[in-house]
Amino acid sequence: DAKTTQPPSMDCAEGRAANLPCNHSTISGNEYVYWYRQIHSQGPQYIIHGLKNNETNEMASLIITEDRKSSTLILPHATLRDTAVYYCIVSVTGANSKLTFGKGITLSVRP
Amino acid sequence: GAVVSQHPSRVICKSGTSVKIECRSLDFQATTMFWYRQFPKQSLMLMATSNEGSKATYEQGVEKDKFLINHASLTLSTLTVTSAHPEDSSFYICSPTGHRGGLYGYTFGSGTRLTVV
Repeated sequence: DAKTTQPPSMDCAEGRAANLPCNHSTISGNEYVYWYRQIHSQGPQYIIHGLKNNETNEMASLIITEDRKSSTLILPHATLRDTAVYYCIVSVTGANSKLTFGKGITLSVRP
Repeated sequence: GAVVSQHPSRVICKSGTSVKIECRSLDFQATTMFWYRQFPKQSLMLMATSNEGSKATYEQGVEKDKFLINHASLTLSTLTVTSAHPEDSSFYICSPTGHRGGLYGYTFGSGTRLTVV
C-alpha cells in the first residue's frame, strides 16, 4: 500500500510556480521521499529525492518539513510540457527496495 | 548516466501467443530489475523483482508461469507473457537498478504497450 497521500489533481498557469503537496505521516527515519512524473504513455521520469534536507536540481525543488511528515515539490516555472501525473513515494534506498506507486496527482498546466 | 532501453514500445499479438519484452541498462549494471504493469487510468503495480542470476520474486496475484522473467546478465532482462489473453493487455514498464538501489533515484524504461486481440 502506498504510504503517501496526494490530492487527485491541481492546475496552474503556464509560467507560474506549481506547488505539489504530499503527506507521508508514517515515514520511517531511513526512508527517502522520491518524486516521479509520468507523461501519458511513457515510463516514469525521476525528478528529485531527499531524506530531510531541502533539495534542488535543474527540474525542481523539494521542500521537506522538519518533522518529515509532508513535503512539497516545486516546479518554479511550469510549462505545458509539465502536464503529467506526479507521484510522491517514500522508500529506503537499498538495492532491492521497491517503489510503491500511489495514484499520484494530475497536474494540468494551462496556457 | 542511467540509460534504459525497453523494446518493443508497442506490440499487438493474437490471443494464445507469447510476447517477449526486453529491457537493457546501457550504461550501468542492473543487479536488480523491477517489472511493473499499468492498466488504463491506474497507477503502476509491481509485478516482480529479479536479481541477476536468480529466480524472480513475484508479487501476490501475479502468475509466475505466465509472466516469465529472465535476468541472466547485468545489462539485460526479459519479460515473456506466455499464452497472452486480452486481459493481459497493459502497459509494461521495467526499472533496472544497480547495487546502490535508489540512492541516486530509480530509472524506468519507456514502457511497452501490449494489446492482445
